[in-house]
Amino acid sequence: DAGITQSPRHKVTETGTPVTLRCHQTENHRYMYWYRQDPGHGLRLIHYSYGVKDTDKGEVSDGYSVSRSKTEDFLLTLESATSSQTSVYFCAISEVGSKTQYFGPGTRLLVL
Amino acid sequence: GNSVTQMEGPVTLSEEAFLTINCTYTATGYPSLFWYVQYPGEGLQLLLKATKADDKGSNKGFEATYRKETTSFHLEKGSVQVSDSAVYFCALSVYMDAGNMLTFGGGTRLMVKP
Repeated sequence: DAGITQSPRHKVTETGTPVTLRCHQTENHRYMYWYRQDPGHGLRLIHYSYGVKDTDKGEVSDGYSVSRSKTEDFLLTLESATSSQTSVYFCAISEVGSKTQYFGPGTRLLVL
Repeated sequence: GNSVTQMEGPVTLSEEAFLTINCTYTATGYPSLFWYVQYPGEGLQLLLKATKADDKGSNKGFEATYRKETTSFHLEKGSVQVSDSAVYFCALSVYMDAGNMLTFGGGTRLMVKP
C-alpha cells in the first residue's frame, strides 16, 4: 500500500468555523490531489498540486483552499465551513509518468 | 469534457453468480481506464487498469476490456464471493499540463449474499 495518511480521520465542526485537513505521504510523489466523495457523484476533484507551492483548482474548488510547503504534506482548508461541505475527503498521490493515483483512507467531516 | 457513466446500484447477487458492471465514457484524446474498489470504511484501491484500446486489465478474478469502438470498460467476474461486496468506481485518466487527471463515475454498490 502507498504510504498515505490523512488526519483527522473523523471531525465534527460547526458552521462558520475554519477546518484544516492534512494529507501526508512517504512516497516522495510529485502530484497530490484532494477529492470529496458524495453519494451519486463519485469523487470530485477539489484542488491538486504538481509540486511544492504549485497548486491549482479542480472541479469543485469554491470554499476551499490548499497549501503545499513540503513535498510530503498537502493541506486542505475550509475557511468557513458550511453544511454543504459535509462529505468524505480523500487525498491521492501520483508519480511523474504514472497514470495511476493512490488514495488515502479518507476523512469524514460533518458540519453542523 | 470528460465523463464516465456507470450503472446505478445496488447490484445484489448470490455467491458464485456472474457479475457485470457496465461503464461507458466520453473523453477527448486517448484516456487510460481504471476500476477502483472501496470496501466499507476504507479508501479507494486500484482494482485494475487498461491504458490503450483492446487492452484487458485483470486482478483477483475481475476483468475489463478497453473497447474504443463502444467507449466502454465493463467490469466482469465469473463467480463473486461475499468478500467482493463493496462499491466499484469506473474512472478515466487523461494527461494534462499538471499531470494525469481522473474523472470518476458515480459508483456502483455490489452486495453479495451467501
